[in-house]
Amino acid sequence: AQSVTQLGSHVSVSEGALVLLRCNYSSSVPPYLFWYVQYPNQGLQLLLKYTTGATLVKGINGFEAEFKKSETSFHLTKPSAHMSDAAEYFCAVTTNAGKSTFGDGTTLTVKP
Amino acid sequence: EAGVAQSPRYKIIEKRQSVAFWCNPISGHATLYWYQQILGQGPKLLIQFQNNGVVDDSQLPKDRFSAERLKGVDSTLKIQPAKLEDSAVYHCASSLGRTQGPYEQYFGPGTRLTVT
Repeated sequence: AQSVTQLGSHVSVSEGALVLLRCNYSSSVPPYLFWYVQYPNQGLQLLLKYTTGATLVKGINGFEAEFKKSETSFHLTKPSAHMSDAAEYFCAVTTNAGKSTFGDGTTLTVKP
Repeated sequence: EAGVAQSPRYKIIEKRQSVAFWCNPISGHATLYWYQQILGQGPKLLIQFQNNGVVDDSQLPKDRFSAERLKGVDSTLKIQPAKLEDSAVYHCASSLGRTQGPYEQYFGPGTRLTVT
């Protein structure tokens, strides 16, 4: 069975500071990894994904994530936070069979 | 391209009543998912369709929840009778299809259900 752990249900940063949202997973087979973002009263939307190839993947709005197989991690980063980045972020793992498991989410607050 | 449509957006019912949610996926997407997201938790897969066949319904409480996807397009999710613990946001998502790899999922706006 696969699982996803997002460390820290709430993260607060100042505008312009580094954003780091942590995600660790367990999977019996090499997974596909995703980060989704959810703004208030909206559906989840894809930020970025890792399937194969380069382990550092870039997404929308300046976010990127690095797949580290040895650490079973897929942490999300952004060099400089913007007020508009305030939202809830979900890490998800999908198997080759298409079964997806989501973490419990991290709420990002950006202080002016 | 139109996104995933869901209705209603909000629903308040009393326990033991029934409720139905509707979803229209992105045109051409073969795979459709229904998720339940309880406050403070991540989305949990209830059921996954590939065209009009069920791929995974292992976490669907079949004594009260049912879902169908007629003609491999629209889908409905029904709860009968509802319990207080069914209060959650119900997400519908779609993707191109399993045979072409685990494409990313496209989510609708969700339906917020409150059971009183």
